[in-house]
Amino acid sequence: NAGVTQTPKFQVLKTGQSMTLQCAQDMNHNSMYWYRQDPGMGLRLIYYSASEGTTDKGEVPNGYNVSRLNKREFSLRLESAAPSQTSVYFCASSVGFNEQYFGPGTRLTVT
Amino acid sequence: AQSVTQLDSQVPVFEEAPVELRCNYSSSVSVYLFWYVQYPNQGLQLLLKYLSGSTLVKGINGFEAEFNKSQTSFHLRKPSVHISDTAEYFCAAPPGGGNKLTFGTGTQLKVEL
Repeated sequence: NAGVTQTPKFQVLKTGQSMTLQCAQDMNHNSMYWYRQDPGMGLRLIYYSASEGTTDKGEVPNGYNVSRLNKREFSLRLESAAPSQTSVYFCASSVGFNEQYFGPGTRLTVT
Repeated sequence: AQSVTQLDSQVPVFEEAPVELRCNYSSSVSVYLFWYVQYPNQGLQLLLKYLSGSTLVKGINGFEAEFNKSQTSFHLRKPSVHISDTAEYFCAAPPGGGNKLTFGTGTQLKVEL
């Protein structure tokens, strides 16, 4: 089992560019999450999907959109990147609110 | 809604010394609490969890935590740390609805020789 995979690992964007972060899990989990991690602020939830076909806003959804493509895949899209979106992005999956399994992260820099 | 507070942003400690990382929670309903660890340049992984039952919870790598309802705390402890324990540690709890978790701001544990 690969667990949770994320692509790309690194990305540099110019302000205004768009991109999609991909996430996939092979553990048959119903719930998937997108977080951003910034120094001194812990992890903040951007969006989550409790089950296939549903998505909900988290703590910091502005500037992002998500798609739960199927049970395995949950993508995060930045339509017009801003320097404030420079961060490390983590995808996670779980069964209920129990243990969440995290991917290795995507380091995004917006210049 | 439930939230968690980690008061210490950094904790330096010498190898083989004991360590305690503090976490306080706020809640008036059922409590579920988690500790996650993040090694450098990696994602988070579960260290231990309290869902119910015994208030002393044992996790991986020799860590344990004690749920204290009267002090609303869930502090993480290890009697003797190793260099390899250098990492960031996050306390987490469900905020009161759905399958989400709220994370604390993290405590950087630095183990020195």
